[in-house]
Amino acid sequence: GAGVSQSPSNKVTEKGKDVELRCDPISGHTALYWYRQSLGQGLEFLIYFQGNSAPDKSGLPSDRFSAERTGGSVSTLTIQRTQQEDSAVYLCASSSASGTSGRDTQYFGPGTRLTVL
Amino acid sequence: GNSVTQMEGPVTLSEEAFLTINCTYTATGYPSLFWYVQYPGEGLQLLLKATKADDKGSNKGFEATYRKETTSFHLEKGSVQVSDSAVYFCALKSGGSYIPTFGRGTSLIVHP
Repeated sequence: GAGVSQSPSNKVTEKGKDVELRCDPISGHTALYWYRQSLGQGLEFLIYFQGNSAPDKSGLPSDRFSAERTGGSVSTLTIQRTQQEDSAVYLCASSSASGTSGRDTQYFGPGTRLTVL
Repeated sequence: GNSVTQMEGPVTLSEEAFLTINCTYTATGYPSLFWYVQYPGEGLQLLLKATKADDKGSNKGFEATYRKETTSFHLEKGSVQVSDSAVYFCALKSGGSYIPTFGRGTSLIVHP
C-alpha cells in the first residue's frame, strides 16, 4: 500500500514569509508525528497527534510554529514569519497504534526540505 | 530521561568490510530498540528492531542484539556494499511513552 507522503518535497522561501507543509499518513494510522532534522543533527520532535485527542505540542520551538490534523488524517505544519534558522528537513511519521507501546513502529515520509533565504 | 548515544561518523569502509556502529542507551523500564536507515534524499526507514533483552533483530544482512547488561544495541554487518551508504539512526521507545528518542545518526560511506 501507499506509504507516508509529504509535499512539497522542496520549498524555498524568503525570510518573513509563511509556509505550509503537508503530510498524508498511511491510511488507518491514528498516530502522526512531525520532526525537524537540521543539517548534521538528529531528529527533533515537534508535535504528536493521536486520533481526536488534543495534540502534544511540547516540541514546537516557538509560537511561529503550529500544526493541525483534519479528520484524523492529513496534517499541515505551518511556520509563520520564517527565519533562516528554520531551514531544515521536516519529516512526518505515522504509526498504526496509540503509539504508547514500545513495539510501535513509525513509518516516515520522504520529508520536505525547507530553505529560508 | 531517555537518551541514545551513537558513535560519531562518518564511518568510511571499503566494500566487503565488516561494519559495526555502536549504540548505547539510557532509559527507564524496558524499552524497545530500533535501527533506522536514511538513504540520501529520503526519509527514515525501519531497518530492524528488538523488543526485549537478548532479542536479535536482523534485516538485509544487518544484525543488532539487545544487550540489557551493557545497555547497548550495536549494529553489525559482515560485508558492506556501496549501496549501504546512508545515515543510520539508533532509537528507543519506552512503553507508555509515545515519543521515541533518536540518536544523532551515523553516516556510513562505502567505497568500491
